[in-house]
Amino acid sequence: AQSVTQLDSHVSVSEGTPVLLRCNYSSSYSPSLFWYVQHPNKGLQLLLKYTSAATLVKGINGFEAEFKKSETSFHLTKPSAHMSDAAEYFCVVSGSISNFGNEKLTFGTGTRLTIIP
Amino acid sequence: NAGVTQTPKFRVLKTGQSMTLLCAQDMNHEYMYWYRQDPGMGLRLIHYSVGEGTTAKGEVPDGYNVSRLKKQNFLLGLESAAPSQTSVYFCASSYRVGTQYFGPGTRLLVL
Repeated sequence: AQSVTQLDSHVSVSEGTPVLLRCNYSSSYSPSLFWYVQHPNKGLQLLLKYTSAATLVKGINGFEAEFKKSETSFHLTKPSAHMSDAAEYFCVVSGSISNFGNEKLTFGTGTRLTIIP
Repeated sequence: NAGVTQTPKFRVLKTGQSMTLLCAQDMNHEYMYWYRQDPGMGLRLIHYSVGEGTTAKGEVPDGYNVSRLKKQNFLLGLESAAPSQTSVYFCASSYRVGTQYFGPGTRLLVL
């Protein structure tokens, strides 16, 4: 079984300050991990993904995440927040295989990021 | 290249009515998925398909049916809508292993 816990349901930061969105996971397999972003009334867009290559993963719009197996964490960071970063962020783990051979995704409950001007 | 599209964007139904949500993808993906998103619960998988004519149940399949008659289309049906099915529905597609690409969502309100 696999699960994802996003430790904060809401994070507020001032524009220009660092962003940290926390995610812990559990998985019986060697997981793939993703961060997706959802802007208001939009679909989900892939920010970055970890697939057992480099543990520090760089994504779009200046975001990056570090896979730490010992801590079972995959926190998302950005050095300097921008107003356009205000959105909902989902941490996702993939690892269990269905009977048809495809990977199943398990979503966290989301973290709403608010940027203070 | 439109990616994943969903029709309609928004719909209001009365309890007991039926409707079909359409998802289309132009990336030649084998796999397609329907999720629902509810406040504080993330996305939950309703049904998915691994190819034409093949579908499987996800985490929350009750009250929904699906069909995949063409590779590029995946339909989600509600035969008798209930207020508990008020949600935002997302379609996604992927290759067998890899990133899932999501549509813009359909907001459904059941009164």
